[in-house]
This record gives sequence, C-alpha cells and structure tokens, in this order.
Amino acid sequence: EPEVTQTPSHQVTQMGQEVILRCVPISNHLYFYWYRQILGQKVEFLVSFYNNEISEKSEIFDDQFSVERPDGSNFTLKIRSTKLEDSAMYFCASSLRQATYGYTFGSGTRLTVV
Amino acid sequence: QQQVKQSPQSLIVQKGGISIINCAYENTAFDYFPWYQQFPGKGPALLIAIRPDVSEKKEGRFTISFNKSAKQFSLHIMDSQPGDSATYFCAVVKTSYDKVIFGPGTSLSVIP
Repeated sequence: EPEVTQTPSHQVTQMGQEVILRCVPISNHLYFYWYRQILGQKVEFLVSFYNNEISEKSEIFDDQFSVERPDGSNFTLKIRSTKLEDSAMYFCASSLRQATYGYTFGSGTRLTVV
Repeated sequence: QQQVKQSPQSLIVQKGGISIINCAYENTAFDYFPWYQQFPGKGPALLIAIRPDVSEKKEGRFTISFNKSAKQFSLHIMDSQPGDSATYFCAVVKTSYDKVIFGPGTSLSVIP
C-alpha cells in the first residue's frame, strides 16, 4: 500500500535554529498538508498546498513557517527560528483530491526544541 | 474556540463489547464527518466517514450514527478487539476549506 514517508523520525534542535522537515507524499497525489500534534493533544491543521501554492493556512502558520515542493517528489516544512512551543509531532499528509476524500498521513517527525 | 467536542477522553472496554465514542460540533456549515484511528508512533488513518445526508453508515464492525439536528455523531465499534486499542479522533470538514478540524481524541483500551 502506498505510504507518505517523513524524515527524520525525530529531530532535536536548539531554540532559534532553523529546521526543515521533509515529506515524500504518495506519487500521484495532488494535495499536500502539514498538521501538528503537541504531545497528548489534538491534531491541528497548519497548511494545505495545491498546484504549488498555499491554499489554506491556520493562525499557527505564521511568518516563521514556510512550505515548499522543491521537486516532483518532496514536500518540506521549514521553521525559521524555532521556539520551545514548536516542540510537537509534525505530520505530513497527501490526498488525491481534497480533504473530503480522506488523507493519507505519514508517521510523523517528532521535533524537540531545547 | 473549540469547534469539536469529543467524549469520553478515555474508554476501557472488554473484548467482545461495544465501544461508543461521541462527538459534537458547533458550526452547521460542516459537511463531511470522518473518524480517524491513531496507533502509537503512527499518523492518524481514516477509519470511516459520513456525509450529513445520511443518518448511519456501517463498514464492518464500525458504524457512524449521525444526528444533524443535534449536531452530534458517534462511532460504534462492535465486537471490540484488543487490536482496536488506539486513539480515535472525530473530525469535521467544510468542503470549501481544504482542512480537517480534529476533536481532542479518545484513548480506547480493549482488554481481553
């Protein structure tokens, strides 16, 4: 069964550093997403991306966040200057059509900011 | 604002029993209602979903019951098995916004 692959599985970074979280969506999917889950809490939407543009973003997704699809296979989330409160599981998801058809989530990257 | 409420926060059910998780939402504009299952160390996975034009949907042991007027829906897991032990999230979607709004989750433990 096709999978969404995320790397690394765990990243530790110092406060103020930049991090890039990487995702390889399912190859024929067209819609891409980032969500995050702070430990023990609900999954929160960050951003959706389609046709090389952000189509929707939450209030969490401020100027320190950016997304990119640098080539035909990768989808990245960059956090420019990490804060302690950015520590969370970050999930990438992709979908052939929009959200109503169900996403496929990756296994996540656990980001720890120290 | 909490657009989706979910209960209970945790649930322990004996093997073979029925697990019931409830969800309530606030905005009548939502038009797609999925349930996600999450195992430790994994991302959420779509389990079953319903649209508001039907009151019930069944897939195997999993059933969604939907009450549009009360703005509530629930997940029933029949003949619960230890392998069903996971966190379950209800969610709501407004199709014109390409995002899923998750509930806070229910941790289900099915004991032998």
